[in-house]
Amino acid sequence: DIQLTQSPSSLSASVGDRVTMTCRASQGIINYLAWYQQKPGRVPKLLIYAASTLQSGVPSRFSGSGSGTDFTLTISSLQPEDVATYYCQKYNSDPFTFGPGTKVDIK
Amino acid sequence: QVQLVESGGGVVQPGRSLRLSCEASGFTFSSYGMHWVRQAPGKGLEWVAVIWFDGRSKYTADSVGGRFTISRDNSKNTLYLQVNSLRPEDTAVYYCAKDMGAVSARGADYWGQGTLVAVSS
Repeated sequence: DIQLTQSPSSLSASVGDRVTMTCRASQGIINYLAWYQQKPGRVPKLLIYAASTLQSGVPSRFSGSGSGTDFTLTISSLQPEDVATYYCQKYNSDPFTFGPGTKVDIK
Repeated sequence: QVQLVESGGGVVQPGRSLRLSCEASGFTFSSYGMHWVRQAPGKGLEWVAVIWFDGRSKYTADSVGGRFTISRDNSKNTLYLQVNSLRPEDTAVYYCAKDMGAVSARGADYWGQGTLVAVSS
């Protein structure tokens, strides 16, 4: 099975900072990757699918890129409401594995 | 608006069974794939199972082996997860989630609030 790793496991940044996190697949998955945001105590929310397509209603400060094995989620200007854990998920074929997550908080 | 409401969780002893349900509304249930995803306390998300729009194709994570069975009743707009031979490591919040695709995955755009399954003697 294809495994996903995410780095860093956690990060702390200031409001307004540009934040980047990565997701790496153990084998190529083309662009079959989604990113989810889960705020503390809340349900996961789809941010990006097909590696770079922004889900409707998601602020434009979020963006995704990558293909094959290496993917990136960027927050262009970190806001207090972005405190959350971010998960990537592969969906090229089952199992539809999630990565371990990157926890983001405010410095 | 889209709503997914899970039920059926609770505290159960190891080895027992439960049937989780997810009642859907606000969209054409029979046109979309549906997932179960679980999250152990303080841990990350773990994909459990998917069933495609007509129920003919389904896949389950190896980690739950033949113990878990996903099904759906499109006439009742309801998704199910039969969980058998429960183990303490199955303790988690179980979410149902709607996929944007019918026969292949595109990402889960709506999630329920989850139902807690706690396995303890």
